[in-house]
Amino acid sequence: DAGVIQSPRHEVTEMGQEVTLRCKPISGHNSLFWYRQTMMRGLELLIYFNNNVPIDDSGMPEDRFSAKMPNASFSTLKIQPSEPRDSAVYFCASSRDPYTGQPQHFGDGTRLSIL
Amino acid sequence: AQKVTQAQTEISVVEKEDVTLDCVYETRDTTYYLFWYKQPPSGELVFLIRRNSFDEQNEISGRYSWNFQKSTSSFNFTITASQVVDSAVYFCALSEAGTNAGKSTFGDGTTLTVKP
Repeated sequence: DAGVIQSPRHEVTEMGQEVTLRCKPISGHNSLFWYRQTMMRGLELLIYFNNNVPIDDSGMPEDRFSAKMPNASFSTLKIQPSEPRDSAVYFCASSRDPYTGQPQHFGDGTRLSIL
Repeated sequence: AQKVTQAQTEISVVEKEDVTLDCVYETRDTTYYLFWYKQPPSGELVFLIRRNSFDEQNEISGRYSWNFQKSTSSFNFTITASQVVDSAVYFCALSEAGTNAGKSTFGDGTTLTVKP
């Protein structure tokens, strides 16, 4: 089975531009998570969905960040407008059922650089 | 609130040495789950193992073993006869079944360097 697929793998853009990160979870997984990883702050949970519904977005840094999951096989994380401090690796993960302790499976990440 | 502490920021060993990565957790739930993930230099995060709070049986998988002790709230990971390919950042994580069900809290990670 295919794992979690993220695109693009790398993104370099200028500040002020809109950035859209994409994620396709593993088929059959009901929950999807977006994380951000930086040297300073480590691995941070931004938002997670269960059955396409956002459950907890308390980790979303500010209004410039938004996430959607229009169906069970696709999610996006948007940053508008982007700023240099948004530079990080963004991971998407999915889980069959995190409420019963099923593990999260991560994509390869998107390395985002905002100039 | 749930918390995971990996006190060892960096560990360096020589190949074939045994190494133990410590993980201490805090939770008020009686039902919870513990995980270890590996992040090699290539950057992806790979799931290694899961334990639930009702199963304190230790586990061995090849050169890897895990020691779960509820009495000390610890879930330590030992690599026997380490190899250069074991060099990675290792994360311990906790997921509760109660109020915060669904999401995991990750430790800050331990960077393991295995030198040839």
